[in-house]
Amino acid sequence: QKEVEQNSGPLSVPEGAIASLNCTYSDRVSQSFFWYRQYSGKSPELIMSIYSNGDKEDGRFTAQLNKASQYVSLLIRDSQPSDSATYLCAVRTGNNDMRFGAGTRLTVKP
Amino acid sequence: DAGVTQSPTHLIKTRGQQVTLRCSPKSGHDTVSWYQQALGQGPQFIFQYYEEEERQRGNFPDRFSGHQFPNYSSELNVNALLLGDSALYLCASSFTGFGETQYFGPGTRLLVL
Repeated sequence: QKEVEQNSGPLSVPEGAIASLNCTYSDRVSQSFFWYRQYSGKSPELIMSIYSNGDKEDGRFTAQLNKASQYVSLLIRDSQPSDSATYLCAVRTGNNDMRFGAGTRLTVKP
Repeated sequence: DAGVTQSPTHLIKTRGQQVTLRCSPKSGHDTVSWYQQALGQGPQFIFQYYEEEERQRGNFPDRFSGHQFPNYSSELNVNALLLGDSALYLCASSFTGFGETQYFGPGTRLLVL
């Protein structure tokens, strides 16, 4: 079992729709969770971090964390073509190192 | 406020050669982590440096080594290059503490022929 798993996609949504990205992790003692966006040929850029169970909202982005289910998600409301990118889920494990999923490629169609 | 910088941006080497990649962290950050990202994959953790010492290490062979300088900048060295070492090498900096949010540099794209 991979330490951090994401649906590889591609995920395609129409402009203005909600995009839902999911991630599961295996290390139960993980405490910090991150979502990064990576455009093709570029490096990852941080979107959000979340540490407590529940929802955290920042503009059009909402991160959701459920530690009991070892599940973290990212919702993008009012999706725009500029949101088209690969989204990486990252988890800081109990060993204090960061593990990344393989990423989900999102395409927002105008 | 300068972000994380890396040099060089691109590099072409042949098998068996050695390479050194450089990273300067974001202002105020004291920790540097290195990652290898193969095409279509997520970043794979190589190691992390804090207070000039290797604090954590991922599942990479000893051919991968590093260093952190007193000004917090860092180098990644790879010896005896293999074709499979071709990848995007990412440096991320953070400030030690709860959460330790990491910010990435632009990366160095290494091609081994």
